[in-house]
Order: sequence, then structure tokens, then C-alpha cells
Amino acid sequence: AQSVTQLDSQVPVFEEAPVELRCNYSSSVSVYLFWYVQYPNQGLQLLLKYLSGSTLVKGINGFEAEFNKSQTSFHLRKPSVHISDTAEYFCAVSVVGSNYKLTFGKGTLLTVNP
Amino acid sequence: EAGVTQFPSHSVIEKGQTVTLRCDPISGHDNLYWYRRVMGKEIKFLLHFVKESKQDESGMPNNRFLAERTGGTYSTLKVQPAELEDSGVYFCASSQDLGQTETQYFGPGTRLLVL
Repeated sequence: AQSVTQLDSQVPVFEEAPVELRCNYSSSVSVYLFWYVQYPNQGLQLLLKYLSGSTLVKGINGFEAEFNKSQTSFHLRKPSVHISDTAEYFCAVSVVGSNYKLTFGKGTLLTVNP
Repeated sequence: EAGVTQFPSHSVIEKGQTVTLRCDPISGHDNLYWYRRVMGKEIKFLLHFVKESKQDESGMPNNRFLAERTGGTYSTLKVQPAELEDSGVYFCASSQDLGQTETQYFGPGTRLLVL
């Protein structure tokens, strides 16, 4: 079975500061990795995904994540956040070659303050 | 193109009642997934349809939950009878094909509160 751990339930930062949201996973088989974002009163939206190839993945809204196989991590970063980035962020995995159902972490609430 | 829609957006019912949630996937998407988030916990997979067939229902909590996708278009998830622990947000997602490049598109969720 797979599991995903998001180490921080809440991350407060000031506008224009850099941010890193941490994600670690556990799996005995190969997985794909995802970050989703949920803005208030909206559904989940895909930010970025790692399938294969380059370990640095760039997504929408200036976010990027780096896959580290040895540390089983997939941390999300943004060099300078905006008020509009306030949302809940979810890390997820799916098993390669499966029906691609997602296993999620508990989510990290990012609050960007002026 | 319309996204995934879910109805109702909110539902408040009493323990023992029945509730039916509906999901309309993106047109042409064969794959439909149901997930649930209980307060304070992670989003968990419930089941997966390919067209009208259930491919994986390993996440369904118990036999009080019944999901259908007649005709391979919209899907319903019925909870009968509802219990307090069924409260949470129910998400639906759809994708076109099963492949590594396919993205699951999520609806806004149905917030269910069982009193």
C-alpha cells in the first residue's frame, strides 16, 4: 500500500516570501506524484505532476517541485508567493500501471499574509 | 468546455435518512472516480468507474454506500441509511483515458453533514 505524509498542516508566510511545502511518500512499487491545489469553495486543480524524466517539474502559477527518489520526497516550492496563493495544497501518488486512483496526504493550508 | 459538476453542493440530513449525490463528468470522459474527505483527514478513494462498469470499489466503506453509473454518463452515490461518520466532502473526478499522461479533473465537491 502507498501512503503520503505532508509534514505541515499549516504554513503561514508573508507576501513575496519563498515557500516550501513538504511531501514524503511510501510505496513498494513505482508511483507517479502529484500536487493539487484547492482554492476556497472550488474543486481540486492539478498544479503539477511527476511521471518520469527530469526530477524538477514546473507547474502552473510559478510552482515547481523536485522528485527525490532516495529521500522519497516531492516538495513543492515557489520563490515568491502572492496573496492569491492562499489555498490548501495536496500531495498525492498513484501506482504506475494501475487504475490511477490517487492516494492523498492530509493537505497543507498555505496562508499568505500581506 | 464544462468541468466536472456535482449536485447538491451541500446537504444536511438526519441520521438514518437517505441521500443521493450526483456527479456529471466532463463529456467524453470514460473514467469516473469518487473520493471522500472526512473532516481532519486525508482525501480517500472510494471507487472507480470505466464507462458504466465498476473497476475498483475497494474504498467503499460498507454496504450502505451504493454507486451507479447507468449509461456511462453521470454517476450517483447513495448513502442509505446515513450515519454520523458519513459526514464529509465527497469529490468526483473524471479523466478521458487510463494513461500516465491523463489528468483527473475534480468537481467542487458535495459537503454532507449528517446530524
